Amino acid sequence: ETGVTQTPRHLVMGMTNKKSLKCEQHLGHNAMYWYKQSAKKPLELMFVYNFKEQTENNSVPSRFSPECPNSSHLFLHLHTLQPEDSALYLCASSTRTSGEPTDTQYFGPGTRLTVL
Amino acid sequence: KQEVTQIPAALSVPEGENLVLNCSFTDSAIYNLQWFRQDPGKGLTSLLLIQSSQREQTSGRLNASLDKSSGRSTLYIAASQPGDSATYLCAVFKAAGNKLTFGGGTRVLVKP
Repeated sequence: ETGVTQTPRHLVMGMTNKKSLKCEQHLGHNAMYWYKQSAKKPLELMFVYNFKEQTENNSVPSRFSPECPNSSHLFLHLHTLQPEDSALYLCASSTRTSGEPTDTQYFGPGTRLTVL
Repeated sequence: KQEVTQIPAALSVPEGENLVLNCSFTDSAIYNLQWFRQDPGKGLTSLLLIQSSQREQTSGRLNASLDKSSGRSTLYIAASQPGDSATYLCAVFKAAGNKLTFGGGTRVLVKP
């Protein structure tokens, strides 16, 4: 399998549930990203990981908890979410790291999350 | 804070017409600018990346220009086809930090 994959593709959860989103990249990249895309708002960066270390947290609420066990996998753990957290969550990866011009980021297909 | 704006928000053209999509950004201290395509319910596909030292990039029917001093980029799509229907997003990579800032996108419909 090639590229960036995300599972699940669709998720419906209640506000008291705990769930996790998974992202996997097969491109040999060393940087991975989580983005949030809400209706009628620009795509927003949430987290950046370089070589498994978090280098950017864009003021994301603590109910979103990222985990990067290795350079190929990225998780987003969700708990006690709010209805306004419903959105498309996109994962991306790239070859460059902080402080240098970046190569193109390659995006996964996203997880459509609905919080009831 | 970098802000990226795309105008128009939506565009509908007959097949064969050329498309012109605009992107503006407030902070000219960028490393590069990228144009992406997003199909409904899907992820983003990179179309073109222009480094800050470049004025334009071309790929097939696509041409993107960059005027960093005025904070503008334009994506031209020649001889549009129904398959070009999608949302087009521009994003700038700032000079400090590992961060892409996206515009709101232009939703394009090419009618047969």
